[in-house]
Amino acid sequence: SQQGEEDPQALSIQEGENATMNCSYKTSINNLQWYRQNSGRGLVHLILIRSNEREKHSGRLRVTLDTSKKSSSLLITASRAADTASYFCATTRKLVFGQGTRLTINP
Amino acid sequence: DAGVTQSPTHLIKTRGQQVTLRCSPKSGHDTVSWYQQALGQGPQFIFQYYEEEERQRGNFPDRFSGHQFPNYSSELNVNALLLGDSALYLCASSLRTGGNQPQHFGDGTRLSIL
Repeated sequence: SQQGEEDPQALSIQEGENATMNCSYKTSINNLQWYRQNSGRGLVHLILIRSNEREKHSGRLRVTLDTSKKSSSLLITASRAADTASYFCATTRKLVFGQGTRLTINP
Repeated sequence: DAGVTQSPTHLIKTRGQQVTLRCSPKSGHDTVSWYQQALGQGPQFIFQYYEEEERQRGNFPDRFSGHQFPNYSSELNVNALLLGDSALYLCASSLRTGGNQPQHFGDGTRLSIL
């Protein structure tokens, strides 16, 4: 079964708005990672949050982790057209990705 | 500093044939993982190689096999190809240090089965 599941499956917003996507997982983790995939390309690592961390920032990215709810969220602030991509969460146990959130930023 | 490179970029095969995909990891990385990504889906873990041995395996049949060479490069072999094997095959490399390392991905090999 999938370890990480992203929600929503698709998200369309206007440029400049914030985008929030969520990830749920089923078993205990050591850490959780978020990746971005542009169409037809490989995945690019965005951020890693450890199980003992609750929040982490990297530029316009903010990730939260709630181990009691087995969930994580990725917030992209001040979105840009270049942020249009699919976003995946992954837990390192068995290296399982969810189906991703397809984010579209409209100019 | 070269990242992960995969070859070929595209490949067309017919059912029943065999295929070999190749991957060179990012410089300094010693672990290679392979993923299959069907259209519109997330990557599915096939297996991981470290020290020339398969260390972890996902839910894929024995038709999928691999190899890692002393220079850390890797091959993915798929025998008796099925139509359902059509997908983007991604290779990722990392350092094998406790599982807290991000993976670096190549751009994949697009395999089409006719």
